[in-house]
Amino acid sequence: DAKTTQPPSMDCAEGRAANLPCNHSTISGNEYVYWYRQIHSQGPQYIIHGLKNNETNEMASLIITEDRKSSTLILPHATLRDTAVYYCIVGPSGSARQLTFGSGTQLTVLP
Amino acid sequence: EPEVTQTPSHQVTQMGQEVILRCVPISNHLYFYWYRQILGQKVEFLVSFYNNEISEKSEIFDDQFSVERPDGSNFTLKIRSTKLEDSAMYFCASSELGQAKYQETQYFGPGTRLLVL
Repeated sequence: DAKTTQPPSMDCAEGRAANLPCNHSTISGNEYVYWYRQIHSQGPQYIIHGLKNNETNEMASLIITEDRKSSTLILPHATLRDTAVYYCIVGPSGSARQLTFGSGTQLTVLP
Repeated sequence: EPEVTQTPSHQVTQMGQEVILRCVPISNHLYFYWYRQILGQKVEFLVSFYNNEISEKSEIFDDQFSVERPDGSNFTLKIRSTKLEDSAMYFCASSELGQAKYQETQYFGPGTRLLVL
């Protein structure tokens, strides 16, 4: 089972920041937080990941709380093309490298 | 930018037939995966493959499934005798294996939509 909890859906106005929360209270010390998204039935697209520190790349920012029990993915200026299901995934753990997907958050960017 | 490719994009087959789904991972990646997603359901892990052998597999990956890296570029998933419930999107992924954890990031292909009639 997925080790993360996300809201099932969120809306965001085009051009505004989209803040997607994720709870991962049972994360272990060596596990990373990964974010992927899936547009329609396309392959999951990697967005960003982090361990302890906040991270930023050309797509998004990742804010991880100090206790690492939750995180927020920030899309600074959402566009209609950002409408997708966003998955917060914790791992890999030990020798197991597979990603365990939950149900994710359906983000709808509204015009 | 390098990407994972998959062929075919769509496959329709009759129940009981064998299908082979093909993937070309990113060229310097060493770890390969298959996942599937039944319509409306979660993405599920099937199998991972490293150094020419299966590294991990899920309960879904039973004797009907097999994987192979027949040459230096392709990675295939074979379903020997397809069942109706094998209808799904099948995604291949690859990652660069390294000591640094950031190299574990998995990159997914666009998927093959398999329909078993």
